[in-house]
Amino acid sequence: DQQVKQNSPSLSVQEGRISILNCDYTNSMFDYFLWYKKYPAEGPTFLISISSIKDKNEDGRFTVFLNKSAKHLSLHIVPSQPGDSAVYFCAASQDYGGATNKLIFGTGTLLAVQP
Amino acid sequence: GAVVSQHPSRVICKSGTSVKIECRSLDFQATTMFWYRQFPKKSLMLMATSNEGSKATYEQGVEKDKFLINHASLTLSTLTVTSAHPEDSSFYICSAFTGGDTEAFFGQGTRLTVV
Repeated sequence: DQQVKQNSPSLSVQEGRISILNCDYTNSMFDYFLWYKKYPAEGPTFLISISSIKDKNEDGRFTVFLNKSAKHLSLHIVPSQPGDSAVYFCAASQDYGGATNKLIFGTGTLLAVQP
Repeated sequence: GAVVSQHPSRVICKSGTSVKIECRSLDFQATTMFWYRQFPKKSLMLMATSNEGSKATYEQGVEKDKFLINHASLTLSTLTVTSAHPEDSSFYICSAFTGGDTEAFFGQGTRLTVV
């Protein structure tokens, strides 16, 4: 049972344009969401996160939007750069920062930013 | 940011042998570390939660006797793949949280190939 889903396995965007990566989840108990970027053969690196009490969080070119009623979040990258080409994972957690800290990951979306 | 070091980055072993993967938090103490496994084009799957000084907590479907986890100190967790078989070939990643931080820090990952 995939609790966190990224339905687009890949996305291609022109340099300078907006990249929008989507993520859906099924567990209404998730209260914290994160986005990670991963290059091949490397561990994921943290990008941005959002608590369930917010609907938007922005950090430079990266903005995460959360729609709790739809159980949907998205990552916007503006403007997209070739160096952004990587696999992006969304992750969700219940009781983040608490006793468990378990992250449930989506299946990832491969972003290719074309020069 | 905090650093999590994972070793080795690549290992090739013969079927039936055991392989140990180390995960170290270099500049912080981690009472809890997590082990993930990634299959090609698949999500990061949480295998187990490693607790310092106590038994690891395994996710459903993960064989405890197959994937031995030891968290002997606040800076080191090890994953031993026992009697490895080709189907154990995968990319294994560890992660840890620093106290009070809101994101996990990941090791570089270990590519295990069982021949």
